[in-house]
Amino acid sequence: AQSVTQLGSHVSVSEGALVLLRCNYSSSVPPYLFWYVQYPNQGLQLLLKYTSAATLVKGINGFEAEFKKSETSFHLTKPSAHMSDAAEYFCAVSPALGMRFGAGTRLTVKP
Amino acid sequence: NAGVTQTPKFRVLKTGQSMTLLCAQDMNHEYMYWYRQDPGMGLRLIHYSVGEGTTAKGEVPDGYNVSRLKKQNFLLGLESAAPSQTSVYFCASSYSRTLSSYEQYFGPGTRLTVT
Repeated sequence: AQSVTQLGSHVSVSEGALVLLRCNYSSSVPPYLFWYVQYPNQGLQLLLKYTSAATLVKGINGFEAEFKKSETSFHLTKPSAHMSDAAEYFCAVSPALGMRFGAGTRLTVKP
Repeated sequence: NAGVTQTPKFRVLKTGQSMTLLCAQDMNHEYMYWYRQDPGMGLRLIHYSVGEGTTAKGEVPDGYNVSRLKKQNFLLGLESAAPSQTSVYFCASSYSRTLSSYEQYFGPGTRLTVT
């Protein structure tokens, strides 16, 4: 069965610092991978998705993620954190139907 | 274009009461889903539908029923609410299952508390 594991339930960075949120996947077939962001009291918004077209995927708000098959990873990065990036981030994999989500990583940005 | 909407936004139930959550989408999506979100567990799939008149069980279906009488609506029912069903419920929809259409669009959520 396909699944994802997010390493670190909480990540804290200073404004302007690099953001790195980790996601590892488990899949016996080439996976479709996603990163979603959830702001407080809101639904999930798609940041980016990997569908095998390119290993480096650029998303909204300056985020990007790199698919590394050898490491079974799909880590999310942003070069410079902004206060508005504070939210919860979910990595997800798309099996036959529905999505399998990681437990989430809450990002805090310190001024 | 409202996207995916959910009603109600908040609800408090007593154990044993029943209720229905309504999800509506105006994007003409074939697929619709119900998830629950619990702290530290991400989102888990309850039920889903691949088209009008069809539903299927997801990862955590017990205690829930669903119906999809119209393409744009997907209802989630709790027949006899239990405290373990206290959660935030999200509805999502997506286009038919093609190579480029796995993205799901989410509603704003319904926060349900069962006392």
